[in-house]
Amino acid sequence: GENVEQHPSTLSVQEGDSAVIKCTYSDSASNYFPWYKQELGKRPQLIIDIRSNVGEKKDQRIAVTLNKTAKHFSLHITETQPEDSAVYFCAASFTSYGKLTFGQGTILTVHP
Amino acid sequence: EAGVTQFPSHSVIEKGQTVTLRCDPISGHDNLYWYRRVMGKEIKFLLHFVKESKQDESGMPNNRFLAERTGGTYSTLKVQPAELEDSGVYFCASSQGVADVLNEQFFGPGTRLTVL
Repeated sequence: GENVEQHPSTLSVQEGDSAVIKCTYSDSASNYFPWYKQELGKRPQLIIDIRSNVGEKKDQRIAVTLNKTAKHFSLHITETQPEDSAVYFCAASFTSYGKLTFGQGTILTVHP
Repeated sequence: EAGVTQFPSHSVIEKGQTVTLRCDPISGHDNLYWYRRVMGKEIKFLLHFVKESKQDESGMPNNRFLAERTGGTYSTLKVQPAELEDSGVYFCASSQGVADVLNEQFFGPGTRLTVL
């Protein structure tokens, strides 16, 4: 089955810096790659997603890049703010309505 | 519109007891998923309903876990008898349909299960 590896497990940055979280997946048939943000005590929420026919997608300060040949995708957050502090999960799926296989999560801390 | 809701938010039970978790998806969502996060690890898939049918139950750990979605609305996940390793946060999620368009899975707040 699909396996997703996520790095780093923790990431600490200063406010205003950029943060990058990387994931690799094992199954070349995976086609849908969402990123979820979970703030302390809250539910995971989708922040951005990408399909395999697209190499990059951007939404304000966040962007996701996908390298299908290398089977890896990354989340980029620019101009980080303290409210970006949370656990971030990457995931992969064959379709957007199928089961998600998650990475282990990255605890991002943004210091004011 | 109300999001995905789960009940209870916390449950503490003794090993060997039974617990039933409930999930109410967003109204009109055909897909309902159960996931589990064990302490500090990844969120793991348990199963997927399409309406009242089990589409994929490949993640169910063993026959102590029973999920139902009668009538295709809310779902329950029963653990009987509970073991220590069942402790974790159980998330429910729902999404709208089965067309392969970008189809966000909306998560509930989770039920934190502690088995003593």
